[in-house]
Amino acid sequence: GENVEQHPSTLSVQEGDSAVIKCTYSDSASNYFPWYKQELGKRPQLIIDIRSNVGEKKDQRIAVTLNKTAKHFSLHITETQPEDSAVYFCAASRNSGYSTLTFGKGTMLLVSP
Amino acid sequence: DVKVTQSSRYLVKRTGEKVFLECVQDMDHENMFWYRQDPGLGLRLIYFSYDVKMKEKGDIPEGYSVSREKKERFSLILESASTNQTSMYLCASSPGQGAYGYTFGSGTRLTVV
Repeated sequence: GENVEQHPSTLSVQEGDSAVIKCTYSDSASNYFPWYKQELGKRPQLIIDIRSNVGEKKDQRIAVTLNKTAKHFSLHITETQPEDSAVYFCAASRNSGYSTLTFGKGTMLLVSP
Repeated sequence: DVKVTQSSRYLVKRTGEKVFLECVQDMDHENMFWYRQDPGLGLRLIYFSYDVKMKEKGDIPEGYSVSREKKERFSLILESASTNQTSMYLCASSPGQGAYGYTFGSGTRLTVV
């Protein structure tokens, strides 16, 4: 089955800095890679996703890049703000038929004012 | 605006009890999932269902069972609760085939004493 590794487990930055979270996956057939944000005490929510037919996707201050050859993908947050503080999870899936998401172990991002 | 509802936010049960965790979604989604969330371990899939009365084992099904008698409701059952099942349990649902569009519930924090 799929295995997703996520690094770092914790990340502390100053407000305004950039933050990068990296994930690797094992199943070369995986082709869908979403990122979820979970604020303290709340449910995980999808913030951005990428499919294997593109290498990069941006949404305002958030971007995701994908390197299919190396089997890794990354989340980039620019101009971080205190409200970006949360746990971020990457996930991977074959996204066909009855496929499920396999999640990384999460990264706790702390943005200090 | 709540679309995936978990019946209890917090539960405390005794070792050996039979425990039912309930999840209801109002989006007419075909797929429903139960994940367990533990610090440092991320989200791990327990069971999932792609149709009424259908169930599939996830990565960590031991000690759990599920029931899906109606499309909107997916129950997780701990046949004989043990202390190592103390955890946060997250229900999710998604439409159609593939891994798109997971919507999570707010979670049930279960403590087994």
